Amino acid sequence: NAGVTQTPKFRILKIGQSMTLQCTQDMNHNYMYWYRQDPGMGLKLIYYSVGAGITDKGEVPNGYNVSRSTTEDFPLRLELAAPSQTSVYFCASSRTSGSTGELFFGEGSRLTVL
Amino acid sequence: AQKVTQAQTEISVVEKEDVTLDCVYETRDTTYYLFWYKQPPSGELVFLIRRNSFDEQNEISGRYSWNFQKSTSSFNFTITASQVVDSAVYFCALSDLVYNQGGKLIFGQGTELSVKP
Repeated sequence: NAGVTQTPKFRILKIGQSMTLQCTQDMNHNYMYWYRQDPGMGLKLIYYSVGAGITDKGEVPNGYNVSRSTTEDFPLRLELAAPSQTSVYFCASSRTSGSTGELFFGEGSRLTVL
Repeated sequence: AQKVTQAQTEISVVEKEDVTLDCVYETRDTTYYLFWYKQPPSGELVFLIRRNSFDEQNEISGRYSWNFQKSTSSFNFTITASQVVDSAVYFCALSDLVYNQGGKLIFGQGTELSVKP
């Protein structure tokens, strides 16, 4: 009963390095999302996808890129990491649009940029 | 502007006390959805409830109940007879239908509930 799986759970990066956060879901959901959670700030949408091959920007897309080649996978790429990208990242999926239906979240990936 | 305010940053109660988590929202939409999510110490957010703007009936699920009042733009969450397992961060969220295709939610800042034995 995997649901949404994110890797890695923890990562420390140096300024300027790049990395990819992996996200996969086994519920055959069309909709997938990346959110970031900063202390005391709630969650902000980075990117979303409404199906394989279709992605679009959320509220805070700068410094990130995504791709969606399959229904299951939605990786998030951080290019040239900056301290402002220190955060907890959550991948989520939903059967219907996430503004009207239930979101299923992964356990989060805690990223520190030093 | 679309906004969700959870004014209570932290709440601490003793087990078996009742506790209410407040949520106030602002929206330009006439049709909208409100949600509550729970984030236990393990980290992942778990869906608790969804309400649409046309359904103002209060809802009860076991020890949990929700009071939706459009007149005051509030969607408050009450836990009756709280338990230690209720300790978590609770988020209220509002749909932003400008992003309807993608499904953006606007989250409040979260309320951290600590239930002590």
